[in-house]
Amino acid sequence: GAVVSQHPSWVICKSGTSVKIECRSLDFQATTMFWYRQFPKQSLMLMATSNEGSKATYEQGVEKDKFLINHASLTLSTLTVTSAHPEDSSFYICSASIRGLSYNSPLHFGNGTRLTVT
Amino acid sequence: GENVEQHPSTLSVQEGDSAVIKCTYSDSASNYFPWYKQELGKRPQLIIDIRSNVGEKKDQRIAVTLNKTAKHFSLHITETQPEDSAVYFCAASYYGGSQGNLIFGKGTKLSVKP
Repeated sequence: GAVVSQHPSWVICKSGTSVKIECRSLDFQATTMFWYRQFPKQSLMLMATSNEGSKATYEQGVEKDKFLINHASLTLSTLTVTSAHPEDSSFYICSASIRGLSYNSPLHFGNGTRLTVT
Repeated sequence: GENVEQHPSTLSVQEGDSAVIKCTYSDSASNYFPWYKQELGKRPQLIIDIRSNVGEKKDQRIAVTLNKTAKHFSLHITETQPEDSAVYFCAASYYGGSQGNLIFGKGTKLSVKP
């Protein structure tokens, strides 16, 4: 089945530093990837839609200058949390939709990244 | 925009009993409704999905029903087992197109007591 790899699985960083999270589709091409954030005991909140070769589409309330998304190839999207603060501590998870299938193809999730900002 | 409501937030059942989780959505254009199971600390896993041209879908002990007129869909788990304990999320496709942009419900924590 389709595999989405996310790295790192957890990261601890100091306030003010930047952290990059990678999301790779290992056995399929993903024109579209999605980034979610999940706070403890809460649902997954869509942050942005990442489209290969174009700018990401951010959801309302998500700062695009703080959460930089790059989708330079059909198998890789990155999320960079810039100038991280403790309130950015969360579980970040990416997902991808297989290119070429009929619409609304299932999403495949990465393992997620636990970010802790101290 | 699309809004997905999910109930109940917690559900406790005895092993062998059935469990039902219900979701409603607001955007009549939504036409794809997956259900995900998330165990503690792990990624959400797709367990079943349904498209708007189907009213019911079943996969062994799991079934999903969709009522487009009422804009609600439900997950049914029969003969529950302790390993079914997890958080379940319903979702609806917001744009109804090829992007697969999902809006999630808040989740239901299911506990199956042995």
